[in-house]
Amino acid sequence: EDQVTQSPEALRLQEGESSSLNCSYTVSGLRGLFWYRQDPGKGPEFLFTLYSAGEEKEKERLKATLTKKESFLHITAPKPEDSATYLCALAIRSGGGADGLTFGKGTHLIIQP
Amino acid sequence: GAGVSQTPSNKVTEKGKYVELRCDPISGHTALYWYRQSLGQGPEFLIYFQGTGAADDSGLPNDRFFAVRPEGSVSTLKIQRTERGDSAVYLCASSLGPLSAEAFFGQGTRLTVV
Repeated sequence: EDQVTQSPEALRLQEGESSSLNCSYTVSGLRGLFWYRQDPGKGPEFLFTLYSAGEEKEKERLKATLTKKESFLHITAPKPEDSATYLCALAIRSGGGADGLTFGKGTHLIIQP
Repeated sequence: GAGVSQTPSNKVTEKGKYVELRCDPISGHTALYWYRQSLGQGPEFLIYFQGTGAADDSGLPNDRFFAVRPEGSVSTLKIQRTERGDSAVYLCASSLGPLSAEAFFGQGTRLTVV
């Protein structure tokens, strides 16, 4: 069965303290891996899409990387406004599977000033 | 508007009642998705429309759930005989094409069944 697991479930950092969030997956045919940010009471906000192992993408203090088994979201020198839940999601090759995204449970990130 | 719009933002209904949730996608987006999110969980896929047709409804939990998109724009998610377990945030997303590439989400409708 296709699965996506995010760790840690929650992470508290000091402002400026860099860290990484993990998304590990077991799927039979990955079409793409997505990272979203979700603030309380709002819908997920798109951050990145990664399609193949070795790919990296950056946006401000965030960098996403992908291997054949996992993806990392690296956050460098975070600020309090980076506090949110970060969701990882997979698009799996169709052929009986859903055409929507399969989401992990998310990592709840808190950046303390 | 510029983004995906969902109405109502909150809905409280009694067990057994019928509800409709509306989604107005970004203009020009042909793909539309419905997801359900329970507290502490990631969104769970329900149904995907490409144009007017439901291309994939494999995520609908049972036959009490139904969705339409008659003109290829606005979509309505319909839930019959609501149960307390249906309480969740229902999210709608749209994208320019299939494969969920850069899907934009609305703020969701919080449904509470009492």
